[in-house]
Amino acid sequence: QKEVEQNSGPLSVPEGAIASLNCTYSDRGSQSFFWYRQYSGKSPELIMSIYSNGDKEDGRFTAQLNKASQYVSLLIRDSQPSDSATYLCAVNSWNGGFKTIFGAGTRLFVKA
Amino acid sequence: GAGVSQSPSNKVTEKGKDVELRCDPISGHTALYWYRQSLGQGLEFLIYFQGNSAPDKSGLPSDRFSAERTGGSVSTLTIQRTQQEDSAVYLCASSFKGSGYGYTFGSGTRLTVV
Repeated sequence: QKEVEQNSGPLSVPEGAIASLNCTYSDRGSQSFFWYRQYSGKSPELIMSIYSNGDKEDGRFTAQLNKASQYVSLLIRDSQPSDSATYLCAVNSWNGGFKTIFGAGTRLFVKA
Repeated sequence: GAGVSQSPSNKVTEKGKDVELRCDPISGHTALYWYRQSLGQGLEFLIYFQGNSAPDKSGLPSDRFSAERTGGSVSTLTIQRTQQEDSAVYLCASSFKGSGYGYTFGSGTRLTVV
């Protein structure tokens, strides 16, 4: 069974700090990696995708991928209270067909 | 349409009844997915449609669950003889090509079986 693991949190950071969210995955053949943000009572929203090793930056968000270590991370700079949400790591793997497997999510609280 | 549309947004049903959940994906998106999310839990894959290919049904939890996609667009997820453990939010998502691209999710159907 292919797995995607995240620390459930909650992770609490002060406003303006850097929030670091981590994710590990079990399938070395995974090819596509995503971060989704899910506000309470809402559906997930795609915020970052990354396909190759290294960093990818988009505004205050940076996704980092290390395929050798099977590790994906999301950094949120200058965290705002509006960033408080659950962040889902998702990995696209072959499992009898390519499908995306989601981690259980990390709850982030940004304190004003 | 502008987004993925799901209906109904809420459904309360009695144990043993059948329910149908509808998903209308973004126009032009060939891939459509159903997931469910129980309270405080992650997303559980149910079924995946890609174009005219046979659907990947590997995530359906029992034979009470079925889904179809008509004309490569609208999809219906049917749950027969509902049980209390079926209570969850059922999320539909679509993507432009396949699962290697990010998804756009609908707002979900909250199913409560009483």
